[in-house]
Amino acid sequence: ETGVTQTPRHLVMGMTNKKSLKCEQHLGHNAMYWYKQSAKKPLELMFVYSLEERVENNSVPSRFSPECPNSSHLFLHLHTLQPEDSALYLCASSQGTGVTGELFFGEGSRLTVL
Amino acid sequence: QKEVEQNSGPLSVPEGAIASLNCTYSDRGSQSFFWYRQYSGKSPELIMSIYSNGDKEDGRFTAQLNKASQYVSLLIRDSQPSDSATYLCAVNIRDGGSQGNLIFGKGTKLSVKP
Repeated sequence: ETGVTQTPRHLVMGMTNKKSLKCEQHLGHNAMYWYKQSAKKPLELMFVYSLEERVENNSVPSRFSPECPNSSHLFLHLHTLQPEDSALYLCASSQGTGVTGELFFGEGSRLTVL
Repeated sequence: QKEVEQNSGPLSVPEGAIASLNCTYSDRGSQSFFWYRQYSGKSPELIMSIYSNGDKEDGRFTAQLNKASQYVSLLIRDSQPSDSATYLCAVNIRDGGSQGNLIFGKGTKLSVKP
């Protein structure tokens, strides 16, 4: 495996379900990110982890809960989501410990909330 | 509110022509600027970064930065149908004591007609 891999690629869930998105990077990077991409909106940064510590949380609702057990893995736990949370969720990684622009993205997890 | 503005397009150019993509940003203190390409159904991919005023060339791509005008552009020479994609402008801003944040524009959709 190379680069940044995300699973599942597609997810449909009801508003009362609990699910998790998984991201794994094979690039030896120190920082990992969750971004949300909705139609007609710019990419929105949700969470940043640097050396496994969360350094940014851009006012994301508590129904999204990130977890970074080590520098190669990142999870996004989802519970009691709303239909407006339907979007493409992108994981990314970068070298260094600050927020940089040189991100490597995974293919994304397409989430649909019914 | 720090913003990055792009014309959403679609921008349509004939094969072999020069495609010009523009981006303006609101934070005068921004230091790093990036162009990402996103094919339909795929994740963004970094294609150019620029940090100082002037031009930076990489193959058929040229990034141009004018910090005084808060303007960054991407020129694609000899456009090919394979260049058809959405191009995202991203600007690294500094938010007080944080490690910075990468703000994306909504993207410009480019269509290169054979």
